[in-house]
Amino acid sequence: DSGVTQTPKHLITATGQRVTLRCSPRSGDLSVYWYQQSLDQGLQFLIQYYNGEERAKGNILERFSAQQFPDLHSELNLSSLELGDSALYFCASSEGQLTYEQYFGPGTRLTVT
Amino acid sequence: AQSVTQLGSHVSVSEGALVLLRCNYSSSVPPYLFWYVQYPNQGLQLLLKYTSAATLVKGINGFEAEFKKSETSFHLTKPSAHMSDAAEYFCAVSDKGGKLIFGQGTELSVKP
Repeated sequence: DSGVTQTPKHLITATGQRVTLRCSPRSGDLSVYWYQQSLDQGLQFLIQYYNGEERAKGNILERFSAQQFPDLHSELNLSSLELGDSALYFCASSEGQLTYEQYFGPGTRLTVT
Repeated sequence: AQSVTQLGSHVSVSEGALVLLRCNYSSSVPPYLFWYVQYPNQGLQLLLKYTSAATLVKGINGFEAEFKKSETSFHLTKPSAHMSDAAEYFCAVSDKGGKLIFGQGTELSVKP
């Protein structure tokens, strides 16, 4: 158990819908990262937040957005969902802004039908 | 830009045999390198990391990796495979300890 929690574990929704994925980092960790794992794209970095502020952005679509709240939990919002958004979404946390070790949550499996 | 190439999407070994999973990286700055393992329906677990200290890095579960700058490689090895090692393994690179850039992964199968 990494100490990072993600909810829900599974999510099935229809095209065009909007969903919110939630992540709680390990106690004391200030950075949260979001990654997407799909069969065709592999594991890709989406976005990083540090202590409530956006710090780095990767291959995140404009339909996707994220935020980190004062209690340090983070939410990833996916809107206007397409079939190709079906993937496993991981959250990871680390102690600082630039820290070697990232601890991954169990992931949320999103299926868009 | 940084990138990682894992040679071989599937590797199969017999129980007790040497495990060798290959990783080559590209980086314009001194890299930080990682190996993660993913068991079915689970998240990623850090096996080991290289952060510019010793070039031979020992990790959990008997795995180790050697950083070779001249070959831009960071191959993962284990002297004797166990059935429990069957999983997907990812090599990753980071330039400053921030976001991770992953390879495509290597699925390891262990035959009894």
